[in-house]
Amino acid sequence: LAKTTQPISMDSYEGQEVNITCSHNNIATNDYITWYQQFPSQGPRFIIQGYKTKVTNEVASLFIPADRKSSTLSLPRVSLSDTAVYYCLVGSYNNNDMRFGAGTRLTVKP
Amino acid sequence: NAGVMQNPRHLVRRRGQEARLRCSPMKGHSHVYWYRQLPEEGLKFMVYLQKENIIDESGMPKERFSAEFPKEGPSILRIQQVVRGDSAAYFCASSPPSRGSGNTIYFGEGSWLTVV
Repeated sequence: LAKTTQPISMDSYEGQEVNITCSHNNIATNDYITWYQQFPSQGPRFIIQGYKTKVTNEVASLFIPADRKSSTLSLPRVSLSDTAVYYCLVGSYNNNDMRFGAGTRLTVKP
Repeated sequence: NAGVMQNPRHLVRRRGQEARLRCSPMKGHSHVYWYRQLPEEGLKFMVYLQKENIIDESGMPKERFSAEFPKEGPSILRIQQVVRGDSAAYFCASSPPSRGSGNTIYFGEGSWLTVV
């Protein structure tokens, strides 16, 4: 069962790039890596998903090294509204083990 | 395409009453997951269901909690004889059945249960 480890919290300032790393040493061959964002009193929102190398969308980039034992979510030029908890989730199609880690609480300061 | 719909958004129950939380997955999704989130804590997996089948309920408390996902209608999380410790946000998520979709699951906005 893939288990994820993330920093509990991070602080940043507006306009900076933020990189949040997730460790998943036991990732399986069929597992994908997915990141979610959660604001207070709301459900988690899908940000980005990848399998290997680099994935980029309009919100973020996801970097996955060749061994896939970790991944890094990169948020370019954060704003105050990016203050949230970010979760890394590892699993595959029809995977029963959709368990989240503790997440990383990102605080963006002015 | 409507997202995952949960209701009620807020529910207040007295100790000893029953709480029923409903979840309608996204159109075309046949997999449903329930999670519980206590204040200032992370998401705790409870149960994973497919239509008419409970696939994994290892996160469900042994007593008072049950879940179903009938052939027709929403998935229901049922909590009998609620206690104050059941007060939490309950999130439902759904995913499609197709292969090659990674593990993307989509969440509803949650149901907040308060036990008084």
